[in-house]
Amino acid sequence: GAVVSQHPSRVICKSGTSVKIECRSLDFQATTMFWYRQFPKQSLMLMATSNEGSKATYEQGVEKDKFLINHASLTLSTLTVTSAHPEDSSFYICSASGGLRRALSYNEQFFGPGTRLTVL
Amino acid sequence: DQQVKQNSPSLSVQEGRISILNCDYTNSMFDYFLWYKKYPAEGPTFLISISSIKDKNEDGRFTVFLNKSAKHLSLHIVPSQPGDSAVYFCAAMTTDSWGKLQFGAGTQVVVTP
Repeated sequence: GAVVSQHPSRVICKSGTSVKIECRSLDFQATTMFWYRQFPKQSLMLMATSNEGSKATYEQGVEKDKFLINHASLTLSTLTVTSAHPEDSSFYICSASGGLRRALSYNEQFFGPGTRLTVL
Repeated sequence: DQQVKQNSPSLSVQEGRISILNCDYTNSMFDYFLWYKKYPAEGPTFLISISSIKDKNEDGRFTVFLNKSAKHLSLHIVPSQPGDSAVYFCAAMTTDSWGKLQFGAGTQVVVTP
């Protein structure tokens, strides 16, 4: 399968600071990237869908001004948690799918390894 | 509102026996279902999927069964192997949603020797 990387894998920051998480598709072009967050012992919750070159679509209840998503190229999407607070501490996972193959097979969504964010 | 539910948080099974993981959903518009496997500190990896027009899909040791009337699906792993120890997520989507997945909470499977 295709490879998706995330950086950093773990970040600890002080309350009030902003944190940027990168999601990269290493060997394919990802026209769509998804951002999820997972709280302990809970499911992955979709936060937003990001399409290259356009604004992200946020799920209900997700503050777009707090979670800034940029999908500037076919291989990179970034999630910036602005003015982070302890309640933003979570595991953030991105996934990527390639546009040409997207309509053919729904298993063509590849997940990154996740980023553990801890806000003190 | 949790539309996909995995009510068993954990499952322990002996090596060589069958593992059965269950998943229920509430949204009748879901028409495609997937199972993912996740190891600690890694992202989920795709295992097997099934379309709502089918009631069974098999891939090697993995078989997924879908009961649309009961809004229930299950994943069977046989025979179970120690490497199968992981968290398994059930996910569902509508095919017009361009890949938006709704995940269950996951079931931790432990395969014992």
